[in-house]
Amino acid sequence: SQKIEQNSEALNIQEGKTATLTCNYTNYSPAYLQWYRQDPGRGPVFLLLIRENEKEKRKERLKVTFDTTLKQSLFHITASQPADSATYLCALDILTGGGNKLTFGTGTQLKVEL
Amino acid sequence: DSGVTQTPKHLITATGQRVTLRCSPRSGDLSVYWYQQSLDQGLQFLIHYYNGEERAKGNILERFSAQQFPDLHSELNLSSLELGDSALYFCASSALIRGGGGTEAFFGQGTRLTVV
Repeated sequence: SQKIEQNSEALNIQEGKTATLTCNYTNYSPAYLQWYRQDPGRGPVFLLLIRENEKEKRKERLKVTFDTTLKQSLFHITASQPADSATYLCALDILTGGGNKLTFGTGTQLKVEL
Repeated sequence: DSGVTQTPKHLITATGQRVTLRCSPRSGDLSVYWYQQSLDQGLQFLIHYYNGEERAKGNILERFSAQQFPDLHSELNLSSLELGDSALYFCASSALIRGGGGTEAFFGQGTRLTVV
């Protein structure tokens, strides 16, 4: 069956450290993989997209890697801050004849402590 | 502010009833997606419309239906409501990302539906 798995347990880290979140998927062949941030009671906000032919993408303190052989993406936040505390969702952009299904993992809650 | 507007923000209704959720996409976006988010299920894809046409379907119940109108706003209709339908319902619209493809989805603030 098709699955997108993210660390179900919350990740607690100290301010200034690098947070690394994992997204693994099975039985999908996504054209793109995306990462979103979601705060409680609010809609997800797009952070980064990486294409199947890209290994790594960076944006400010964020870095995403994509390994289509391992079927895994890693999402890194460097020099983390308490304001980075949120739930982070990975999403697979799957093209389906004329449309696309943006299918989300269940998310990992990140808490950055002082 | 994402530019996607959802109404109402909150809705409380009884089992067996029917409700309509409304979504206005960002100006210029032709795609609209609907998602259901409950505590134990995460964000579940329901349906994708592009310029008035249904393009992709997820695990949307037969009791649920959606449409996108010529002015590109969309409505999600939920009927014969059950307690388990209580959830946050999000609408998103998307824009193509320049230089290489892929889309960025912009989410509304959601409609919190409570079925009692």
